[in-house]
Amino acid sequence: SQTIHQWPATLVQPVGSPLSLECTVEGTSNPNLYWYRQAAGRGLQLLFYSVGIGQISSEVPQNLSASRPQDRQFILSSKKLLLSDSGFYLCAWSDRTDTQYFGPGTRLTVL
Amino acid sequence: DAKTTQPPSMDCAEGRAANLPCNHSTISGNEYVYWYRQIHSQGPQYIIHGLKNNETNEMASLIITEDRKSSTLILPHATLRDTAVYYCIVRDVVRETSGSRLTFGEGTQLTVNP
Repeated sequence: SQTIHQWPATLVQPVGSPLSLECTVEGTSNPNLYWYRQAAGRGLQLLFYSVGIGQISSEVPQNLSASRPQDRQFILSSKKLLLSDSGFYLCAWSDRTDTQYFGPGTRLTVL
Repeated sequence: DAKTTQPPSMDCAEGRAANLPCNHSTISGNEYVYWYRQIHSQGPQYIIHGLKNNETNEMASLIITEDRKSSTLILPHATLRDTAVYYCIVRDVVRETSGSRLTFGEGTQLTVNP
């Protein structure tokens, strides 16, 4: 069966520090991968998606970037965090049926 | 993707059926109805989806009206662990070469009471 992992689970970072969140998927090949952000008390916002290694599409202009160095690895990064980057970051994958399955999330607090 | 309308909150007694409605009056012919739920501080969990016919799986049943303008998610025997925000999402069939977003609205906060 397929599983999706995210780490770290929680993170507290100062403003201006770098960020790297990692997501890996097991049990499937060539998945579509997604990064979403959920601000406190609000809906999910799609940040990036990837249909293959090295292929990244950005949905909104922002302080963040994404990379897909391997088929089942998706990384969310920032060079300098802003206060507004705080939130709950969710990675998801989808197969050919396009049903998306979400990871456990990373709660980021920028102080 | 078509917009959906859900009640902001519902209550249900433990052991009873929970019926969560969703209106999607602008749905088009090739759009699916998806349901997810999100338990507090966890990632959204896929529940079920359908196009025209009613669907059932181990978690829930999905009833779609004949005109497809509304649907109901049924949890047949709600437990305390079913307390969560339930999201109804309508989306188009996706081409494999492009990713597709899930547009989550406000959802329905279902509270299952003992």
